[in-house]
Amino acid sequence: DIQMTQSPSSLSASVGDRVTITCRASQDIRDYLGWYQQRPGKAPKRLLYAASILQSGVPSRFSGSGSGTEFTLTISSLQPEDFATYYCLQHNTYPVTFGQGTTLDI
Amino acid sequence: EVQLVESGGGLVQPGGSLRLSCVASGFTFSRDWMHWVRQVPGKGLEWISRINRDGTITEYADSVKGRFTISRDNAENMLHLQLNGLRVDDTAVYYCSRDMVAWGQGTLVSVSS
Repeated sequence: DIQMTQSPSSLSASVGDRVTITCRASQDIRDYLGWYQQRPGKAPKRLLYAASILQSGVPSRFSGSGSGTEFTLTISSLQPEDFATYYCLQHNTYPVTFGQGTTLDI
Repeated sequence: EVQLVESGGGLVQPGGSLRLSCVASGFTFSRDWMHWVRQVPGKGLEWISRINRDGTITEYADSVKGRFTISRDNAENMLHLQLNGLRVDDTAVYYCSRDMVAWGQGTLVSVSS
């Protein structure tokens, strides 16, 4: 199975900060990567797909980049509603696998 | 509006069975692959199964293979997951998902004696 390693596992930040989360795949997954946000008690919500394409309705302060084995999610200016847990997901090869998550808090 | 609503979770003893269901609305259900993903409370996400549009192709994570069975009823817009041989480490919130894009709110399965 492809292992997805996210870093950091937790991150403290403030409203207005720019933050970057990294996801590394154990083998080449091309751009078959999505980023998800999960707020406490809620289902995950897809933010980006194909590594860099913004899901409809997602604010433009979220962006993604990368291909192959290294990917990043950037939030350009944190808003209060962005404090949540973020997961990457590779779907190049089954079983699809998630990163372990990055919790973003104040 | 796409909606997915899971049901069927509950408390069951080790070795027991449950059948989870997910009713879909707001999209053409028969056109999409459907998935089940689970999450141990306070932990990360684990994909466990998927099924193709007409139900002829199914895949499972090794952790549930041989114990869980995914199925669908396109006439009723329903997705199911039969859970047999439940273990304590199957305790989790189970989500259904439309092609890993839209997700339901989840249903909690608790396995305990």
